[in-house]
Amino acid sequence: DQQVKQNSPSLSVQEGRISILNCDYTNSMFDYFLWYKKYPAEGPTFLISISSIKDKNEDGRFTVFLNKSAKHLSLHIVPSQPGDSAVYFCAASEGNRDDKIIFGKGTRLHILP
Amino acid sequence: KAGVTQTPRYLIKTRGQQVTLSCSPISGHRSVSWYQQTPGQGLQFLFEYFSETQRNKGNFPGRFSGRQFSNSRSEMNVSTLELGDSALYLCASSLRTVNTEAFFGQGTRLTVV
Repeated sequence: DQQVKQNSPSLSVQEGRISILNCDYTNSMFDYFLWYKKYPAEGPTFLISISSIKDKNEDGRFTVFLNKSAKHLSLHIVPSQPGDSAVYFCAASEGNRDDKIIFGKGTRLHILP
Repeated sequence: KAGVTQTPRYLIKTRGQQVTLSCSPISGHRSVSWYQQTPGQGLQFLFEYFSETQRNKGNFPGRFSGRQFSNSRSEMNVSTLELGDSALYLCASSLRTVNTEAFFGQGTRLTVV
């Protein structure tokens, strides 16, 4: 039972354009959402998060949008750079219950020159 | 501030053996979570320890166990290894107050032959 779903295993985007990574969740109790980035042979690193009381959070080139009614969130990277090529994991938790963090299967982003 | 340290980085074991992996969290972090990463399956939650108590558990068989020591260091043990246990095992530590991110180590690559 995948509570956090990333339906696109991979995505290719031209350098300089916008990358949009999507994530859906099924557990309506999730109230805290995170994005992680992972390079090969390294552990995931935290990118950006959003609480359910917000619908947008921005940090430099990275913006996360949350649509609670659709149980959908997305990560926008603008402009995309070669170093953004990595696997991106969407994650969620019932933060107010201090619960575990559940991850999606990841989307591999390729930034094309 | 030192990051999350996992040892060993690489491990090769024979089917039927048992293995112990170690994780030292970031100083001051009392929560340690373990994840298994296999191709196509993303990061699957194994368990979480907080102040030496297992607080959450994922859907893994009893062959997978763990513990946490008073200094917050954690160990994960897998007994009677199977070929399918070959994976990257990641440890993450966090403050585990409400809505906080987790910080990952580089992982232990376990190969079962």
